Amino acid sequence: KAGVTQTPRYLIKTRGQQVTLSCSPISGHRSVSWYQQTPGQGLQFLFEYFSETQRNKGNFPGRFSGRQFSNSRSEMNVSTLELGDSALYLCASSLGSGTSIYNEQFFGPGTRLTVL
Amino acid sequence: SQELEQSPQSLIVQEGKNLTINCTSSKTLYGLYWYKQKYGEGLIFLMMLQKGGEEKSHEKITAKLDEKKQQSSLHITASQPSHAGIYLCGAPPPQGAQKLVFGQGTRLTINP
Repeated sequence: KAGVTQTPRYLIKTRGQQVTLSCSPISGHRSVSWYQQTPGQGLQFLFEYFSETQRNKGNFPGRFSGRQFSNSRSEMNVSTLELGDSALYLCASSLGSGTSIYNEQFFGPGTRLTVL
Repeated sequence: SQELEQSPQSLIVQEGKNLTINCTSSKTLYGLYWYKQKYGEGLIFLMMLQKGGEEKSHEKITAKLDEKKQQSSLHITASQPSHAGIYLCGAPPPQGAQKLVFGQGTRLTINP
């Protein structure tokens, strides 16, 4: 079974621009979660999509948004980029939604975003 | 909100030595995951602990969950260079909108 894939792997943008990141989950997985990882804040939850609906959302500004398609692929968009948005963005897929320990998440390799 | 604190934050050990990483939760643990991350890459699933007292082993890595102490430990026996990386514990919060809450990570360096 193919793992979680993320594209692109690396991205350089300038302040004020917007960016779209893509995530393809493991086949059969309907939940996709997005996380931001920075040296200062660590790994923080952005949001989760399940069956094309946002199910959970972390504490991030409205500039961060996402969507999920009928094939479970998900995109994350960041508008009006700030220097502090430079981070590794990870997506994870799981079979189900919710916070049960049994909803094991499988992570992709991440997209490294640098904002200049 | 739930917080996970890992200790130590970084660890340098001689190849062949044993080591332990701890993860302590500020709230009740309803299970816990351990992941490993190579710098700048995705997380690799190591183990999932579902209930208190549970202990799992995979190759030279053993993890335990102590519900009463709200703590988990990860123990590596006879460390090898391949064990180097960042170890992260993650737990589903008892309530709230978070999918998983993570510790800050422990950076492990193995000296030959």
